[in-house]
Amino acid sequence: ETGVTQSPTHLIKTRGQQVTLRCSSQSGHNTVSWYQQALGQGPQFIFQYYREEENGRGNFPPRFSGLQFPNYSSELNVNALELDDSALYLCASSPTTGLHEQYFGPGTRLTVT
Amino acid sequence: GENVEQHPSTLSVQEGDSAVIKCTYSDSASNYFPWYKQELGKGPQLIIDIRSNVGEKKDQRIAVTLNKTAKHFSLHITETQPEDSAVYFCAARTNRGSTLGRLYFGRGTQLTVWP
Repeated sequence: ETGVTQSPTHLIKTRGQQVTLRCSSQSGHNTVSWYQQALGQGPQFIFQYYREEENGRGNFPPRFSGLQFPNYSSELNVNALELDDSALYLCASSPTTGLHEQYFGPGTRLTVT
Repeated sequence: GENVEQHPSTLSVQEGDSAVIKCTYSDSASNYFPWYKQELGKGPQLIIDIRSNVGEKKDQRIAVTLNKTAKHFSLHITETQPEDSAVYFCAARTNRGSTLGRLYFGRGTQLTVWP
């Protein structure tokens, strides 16, 4: 186990709704990255937060947004949910940004109907 | 951006045999290459990684090799056991651009070890 926790474990939402997913990083880690993993695919980078600031973003629209708090926990918010947003959402924490290992949490399975 | 290709997509081996999974990458600025194991219903678990200044790294039954010239790296699992059955992902991180911490993943290899 990595010490990275995510909540909730599973979530079912309706198209058009909004969702907030949460992540607690491993103790001592100040960097959190979020990834989306569609069924049968590798994880795709959404964005990264370092010391409460967004530190880079992948090819995801603005309706995907995030926050990092002073204790380095993080939230991923998705507005105007679409069916294609159904996926496993993973957060990964690192000791710092840059050249360090990333440790993943168990993920939140989001289903949009 | 970086593009990581992974082969094969599925791999079946008999217990005790070796398994090899291969990945290629496109960005010569990539310098960190982790491998993750993902069991059903769980998040990816880091099992081994290699940096670009090293050609090979071993940890018990698992080894990773890196060929920077050819831009490919491989995972080798020896003496496979049924509990090695999982999906394995390779990834690469580039030293180029604004997001140094971004990992680019392959599509995964489903490894099945038959007893």
